[in-house]
Order: sequence, then C-alpha cells, then structure tokens
Amino acid sequence: LAKTTQPVSMDSYEGQEVNITCSHNNIATNDYITWYQQFPSQGPRFIIQGYKTKVTNEVASLFIPADRKSSTLSLPRVSLSDTAVYYCLVGGDGSGNTGKLIFGQGTTLQVKP
Amino acid sequence: SQTIHQWPATLVQPVGSPLSLECTVEGTSNPNLYWYRQAAGRGLQLLFYSVGIGQISSEVPQNLSASRPQDRQFILSSKKLLLSDSGFYLCAWSVPDRENSPLHFGNGTRLTVT
Repeated sequence: LAKTTQPVSMDSYEGQEVNITCSHNNIATNDYITWYQQFPSQGPRFIIQGYKTKVTNEVASLFIPADRKSSTLSLPRVSLSDTAVYYCLVGGDGSGNTGKLIFGQGTTLQVKP
Repeated sequence: SQTIHQWPATLVQPVGSPLSLECTVEGTSNPNLYWYRQAAGRGLQLLFYSVGIGQISSEVPQNLSASRPQDRQFILSSKKLLLSDSGFYLCAWSVPDRENSPLHFGNGTRLTVT
C-alpha cells in the first residue's frame, strides 16, 4: 500500500488559490490518486481523482508530475466554506481484491476572511 | 442518482448495551459497502467491507461485527459496547469491480458510550 504524506494544516484567506501537496513515493503502477473533503460531523466527499498529468473539474484541479510520486490539489479562489479537512489517498477502492484505502489525518485548511 | 442513508445521526449508549447501526444505499446494485470509524481528531479507520450479500471482511479485531442481509443494506452491531467504541461511524459504498471507484460516504453516526 502506498503511504501518503501531506501537511497537517494550512491557512489561507478568501479569494486566494490554495495548493495542497501530497507525497506518495511508493505509488504503484495501477494506483490512482484521489482527494476527499470532509466538513465537521459529515462524511468525506469525493473531490477529484487522477492518474497522471492534470485533471480539472468544477471544484478543483489535480496536478500530477511524470514520476507520480506526489500530487497537488489546487483550489481556486477559496471561500470560507472551503474550510475543511482534505485527504489524499492512493490506491484502489478498498475492496478485497484491490487493496485497502488508508485515510491519514489529512490537511486541515482554515480559510480566513 | 445514488444515495446513501445512515441512521441514527447521533446515539448515546451505556457501556455494556447492544448496538445496531444501519446503512442503506439506493440507486445502485451490488455495491461494495464499507464501515469506517473516525476517532476525534483522527483519520478514518476501515472496520469492515463487503463485496456481496453475506460476505464480510473484517479489518480490525474488535468488539464490533457487521452483516449484509440484503444487497444494499449494511449493519454494524455490537453485543456489549465498550467506552472505546465511542466515535464517528461512517458507511460508504463504491462501484464494484472498479479499482479506482471513489468512495461515497453517508453523513455518519456520532456514537457516545457512557
């Protein structure tokens, strides 16, 4: 299983772009990189997923370098409502035949006015 | 569209009492189902997962058990709760046979054992 390392916490201000980097040096060839967002007292919510290069959706962008040993979640123009914990996961979906997902402590993003 | 329901949202139970948390999924067939627990200020810990009716895999030896009596129903149980069972319990589903299928979580149950 690929272990991930990400900053414990980050602060930002409204309107800024936030980049959260995740290290996964032992990523396997078939592993995807998935990011989740979690608000207090709620379940994590899928944000974005990628395998290589760049992926963009209506919420965020995910940048993955060629060696895939790290990835960066980019949140454009954050607002107060983006204050949450962000998890980076590498691997399969957790079913028995594809491996297990490991949720670390994530990155607590605090957006200030 | 697919939806996942968990209940109750909060629960306070005395030590030694039984537990039953229920999770149901709508809008999909034969989902992979999961139970996670999150202790205060910690990451999520996978407790059980299921790839089909009656098929349960346990990740962590503990005071809990899980059952899947129907395709889209997943139940977390305990015969006698311990103080250490307190936490935030989350049910999730994913599309089967897709290794990169994202997890879709319910809103969780906050369990306090007193």
